[in-house]
Amino acid sequence: GAGVSQSPSNKVTEKGKDVELRCDPISGHTALYWYRQSLGQGLEFLIYFQGNSAPDKSGLPSDRFSAERTGGSVSTLTIQRTQQEDSAVYLCASSLGVGRSYNEQFFGPGTRLTVL
Amino acid sequence: KNQVEQSPQSLIILEGKNCTLQCNYTVSPFSNLRWYKQDTGRGPVSLTIMTFSENTKSNGRYTATLDADTKQSSLHITASQLSDSASYICVVTQTSYDKVIFGPGTSLSVIP
Repeated sequence: GAGVSQSPSNKVTEKGKDVELRCDPISGHTALYWYRQSLGQGLEFLIYFQGNSAPDKSGLPSDRFSAERTGGSVSTLTIQRTQQEDSAVYLCASSLGVGRSYNEQFFGPGTRLTVL
Repeated sequence: KNQVEQSPQSLIILEGKNCTLQCNYTVSPFSNLRWYKQDTGRGPVSLTIMTFSENTKSNGRYTATLDADTKQSSLHITASQLSDSASYICVVTQTSYDKVIFGPGTSLSVIP
């Protein structure tokens, strides 16, 4: 596709349920990032995939959060046993790779998660 | 600790006026600095990128400056338009780990 796509665009769930958020990066981009953005706040880094390297999971807030990237393309962010404080917009970004010429991140439109 | 700070937190200006947003960072070793614009309800979009040897970069009415010695950057917006209303985010990349560190953003509102 022309850009990064994310689905669903909106997700409303009940506390305690599991949710899966999907990200389709730009074709050929080897790097993929997940961020969380609460209302009126800055971006909070969650996880980073680069090629076949082990992902950088240093931003995941708890073990309820996990992510995988299959075949070096599509990524899924899973939140288990959702809590109300998980409510936020989850943004995915991809870039060509590492290095100053290639690390411009292209962002998707985000998934707005609301936990009731 | 590698950090990126931005000021002011928010800013309101009249249409047609100029403004300057500030970014200070403590990231080391430094690779590059980008300014992103995030419209409400959208993902951020890159405006400019500067490396260590570049001290100014323009993109239309946006001009970014970088002082690598003092670790400061600024984004100057000329002749502001209503469509400039957005959050402006300073992002610094660390060379050794290619780690990207986001600032908290400055929320700009341009009013008629």
